[in-house]
Amino acid sequence: KQEVTQIPAALSVPEGENLVLNCSFTDSAIYNLQWFRQDPGKGLTSLLLIQSSQREQTSGRLNASLDKSSGRSTLYIAASQPGDSATYLCAVNPKNTGFQKLVFGTGTRLLVSP
Amino acid sequence: DTAVSQTPKYLVTQMGNDKSIKCEQNLGHDTMYWYKQDSKKFLKIMFSYNNKELIINETVPNRFSPKSPDKAHLNLHINSLELGDSAVYFCASSQEDQPGNTIYFGEGSWLTVV
Repeated sequence: KQEVTQIPAALSVPEGENLVLNCSFTDSAIYNLQWFRQDPGKGLTSLLLIQSSQREQTSGRLNASLDKSSGRSTLYIAASQPGDSATYLCAVNPKNTGFQKLVFGTGTRLLVSP
Repeated sequence: DTAVSQTPKYLVTQMGNDKSIKCEQNLGHDTMYWYKQDSKKFLKIMFSYNNKELIINETVPNRFSPKSPDKAHLNLHINSLELGDSAVYFCASSQEDQPGNTIYFGEGSWLTVV
């Protein structure tokens, strides 16, 4: 059974710092891995999607890496801003289902202070 | 122009009532989902429909009945509401002509049962 873990559960940094969020999963048989952002009282916004054949994806100040063999992904945020404050969720799409049945981690709550 | 829209956003109701949450997507996707986020913020899939047919049905009480009148709509009806049904319910959609496409989420429906 696929399980996804995110560390740390919460992170507080001053503005301008570079930071790394970690995600690990137990079964490497996945189609892809997605990083989402969730703001309080809001839905989920997809940030980056990494296919199983890819090693990393970049979007602006965000860079996500995937090491499928070791069951790990990292989300790197450069030059953090207060607007980056949110909960970041990692989700894998397991290969055994045929259709998207995302398995989510419990999230990392990020607070960037001015 | 919202891609995945859910109504209502907030719903407070008494135990034993029956309620529905509606979801519509204007992305032309063929697959829609319902996810539940519990009080511990853990997100888990409930149902998935592909071209109006049920394809994923997790171990959800049969008080929950999804209905897909067409590819663009997936409604969730809940009978005999219980306190434990209080959660945030997210609708989502994706195009599954090939596995692993990006999944798009709605903004969630906050259900509180009192």
